[in-house]
Amino acid sequence: GAVVSQHPSWVICKSGTSVKIECRSLDFQATTMFWYRQFPKQSLMLMATSNEGSKATYEQGVEKDKFLINHASLTLSTLTVTSAHPEDSSFYICSASSGANYGYTFGSGTRLTVV
Amino acid sequence: GENVEQHPSTLSVQEGDSAVIKCTYSDSASNYFPWYKQELGKRPQLIIDIRSNVGEKKDQRIAVTLNKTAKHFSLHITETQPEDSAVYFCAALTNNDMRFGAGTRLTVKP
Repeated sequence: GAVVSQHPSWVICKSGTSVKIECRSLDFQATTMFWYRQFPKQSLMLMATSNEGSKATYEQGVEKDKFLINHASLTLSTLTVTSAHPEDSSFYICSASSGANYGYTFGSGTRLTVV
Repeated sequence: GENVEQHPSTLSVQEGDSAVIKCTYSDSASNYFPWYKQELGKRPQLIIDIRSNVGEKKDQRIAVTLNKTAKHFSLHITETQPEDSAVYFCAALTNNDMRFGAGTRLTVKP
């Protein structure tokens, strides 16, 4: 089946630094990539949607200059959390779609802790 | 945009009993409704889904029903087992935009 590889699985960084999270679709072309954030005991909240080769569409309240999304190829999308702060600590997870048969495949998630 | 509401937020059942989780959605254009099971710190796993042209779908102990007129859909788990304990999320898809319910923490007591 479709597989999305997400790295790193966890990261601890210092406040003010930047962290890059990668999601790769291993056996299909991800025409659309979704990035979600999940705080403890809460639901997945959509942060942004990106289509390959286009600028990402951000949800209301999500700072596009802070959460940089790049989807330069059909198999790779990255989320960079810039100038991270402790309140950015969360579980970040991507979901990729090839556009066929409503297939949405989640990455394994990245637990970010900002200290 | 789409708004998905999910109830209950927590559900505790005895092993062998049935569990029902309900979701409502707001956008009549939504046409795909997946259900996910998420264990702590892991990715959501698709357990069953239903499209808008179908009213009911069953897969062993799991079934989903959809009422398009009322804009609600439900997950039914029969003969629950302790390993069914997890957080379950419903979702609704509208124009390639997936929105999730708030989640239901299901606990199955042995």
